[in-house]
Amino acid sequence: AQSVTQLDSQVPVFEEAPVELRCNYSSSVSVYLFWYVQYPNQGLQLLLKYLSGSTLVKGINGFEAEFNKSQTSFHLRKPSVHISDTAEYFCAVTVIQGAQKLVFGQGTRLTINP
Amino acid sequence: KAGVTQTPRYLIKTRGQQVTLSCSPISGHRSVSWYQQTPGQGLQFLFEYFSETQRNKGNFPGRFSGRQFSNSRSEMNVSTLELGDSALYLCASSLTEMGGYTFGSGTRLTVV
Repeated sequence: AQSVTQLDSQVPVFEEAPVELRCNYSSSVSVYLFWYVQYPNQGLQLLLKYLSGSTLVKGINGFEAEFNKSQTSFHLRKPSVHISDTAEYFCAVTVIQGAQKLVFGQGTRLTINP
Repeated sequence: KAGVTQTPRYLIKTRGQQVTLSCSPISGHRSVSWYQQTPGQGLQFLFEYFSETQRNKGNFPGRFSGRQFSNSRSEMNVSTLELGDSALYLCASSLTEMGGYTFGSGTRLTVV
């Protein structure tokens, strides 16, 4: 079975500061990795995904994430945040072969202060 | 390209009633998944349908069921509603798992 741990439930940062949202996963088989963002009263929007290849993945809205296989981590980063980045962020995995479903972390609430 | 459409957006039901939620996937997407989101349990997988067949099921009681039609539209049904079924129900569609899943805006179900 797979599991995802998001190490911070809440992250407050000031506008234009850098941010890192941490995600660790556990799986006995190979997985694909995703980050989703959820704005209030909305569904989930895909930020980026890691399938294979380069471990540094760039996504939308200036976000990027780095896959570290030895540490089973997939941390999300942004060099300079904006007020509009205030949202909840979810890390998720799905197995490459087998039951096709997303396993989510508990989410990290990112709050941007002016 | 239209996104994933879920109807209705909001729903209020009474304990013991049943409810049906609808999801129209992105055109061409044959896989449709359902997730339940609650503050306490987070995002949990309900089931996944592909070409009208349920391929995967999460750990939910038999009161939760679903189906997929030949046009890939999907419905989920919850019978004998309980207060704990109050949640945001999200539908997601995908072409392949590699592309990631596109989510709808969800149906917020409140059971009173």
